Amino acid sequence: GQSLEQPSEVTAVEGAIVQINCTYQTSGFYGLSWYQQHDGGAPTFLSYNALDGLEETGRFSSFLSRSDSYGYLLLQELQMKDSASYFCALNTGGFKTIFGAGTRLFVKA
Amino acid sequence: GAGVSQSPSNKVTEKGKDVELRCDPISGHTALYWYRQSLGQGLEFLIYFQGNSAPDKSGLPSDRFSAERTGGSVSTLTIQRTQQEDSAVYLCASSPSGLGGGEQYFGPGTRLTVT
Repeated sequence: GQSLEQPSEVTAVEGAIVQINCTYQTSGFYGLSWYQQHDGGAPTFLSYNALDGLEETGRFSSFLSRSDSYGYLLLQELQMKDSASYFCALNTGGFKTIFGAGTRLFVKA
Repeated sequence: GAGVSQSPSNKVTEKGKDVELRCDPISGHTALYWYRQSLGQGLEFLIYFQGNSAPDKSGLPSDRFSAERTGGSVSTLTIQRTQQEDSAVYLCASSPSGLGGGEQYFGPGTRLTVT
């Protein structure tokens, strides 16, 4: 089957850099996406990796290594507003998207 | 332009009743997804529509769940004979195409409570 694993919680200090890891098991997929969700809000798209390597979008970067079945989201210059849940998601064959359980990020002053 | 809209925003129903949840995707988006999210959990895929193709229903948890998409636009998710375990937030998303493109635009969700 297909599954993703991410840490349940991560805590970091304002201004710091944090990395949220995602490991997955799948027989094939188009790419790995990352979404942010604030409490009570809808998920919003952050980044997508179709190919191995690093994708950078402002303070957020995402990395994919297909050979290691691994990806991560890197958040730089953390701000209090970055406190939220972060989900990795596989865009699988047949266009179905499988989401991880999410990582709760707490940013402390 | 307008984003994805869902209605109602909240729905409280008694166990055994049927409910209908509505999703209006972004105009021109051919792909539409339904997900379910329980409190503090990830998103559970339910069903996917792409253009005029047959929907991918592989995520529907039971035959009490069904969905349709009329005219390639508005979609309705129907839950028959609701059970307490159906209580969750139901999220709809759309994307310009389903072709492994990554970005999905989510609506605000419908919070369903079955008493």
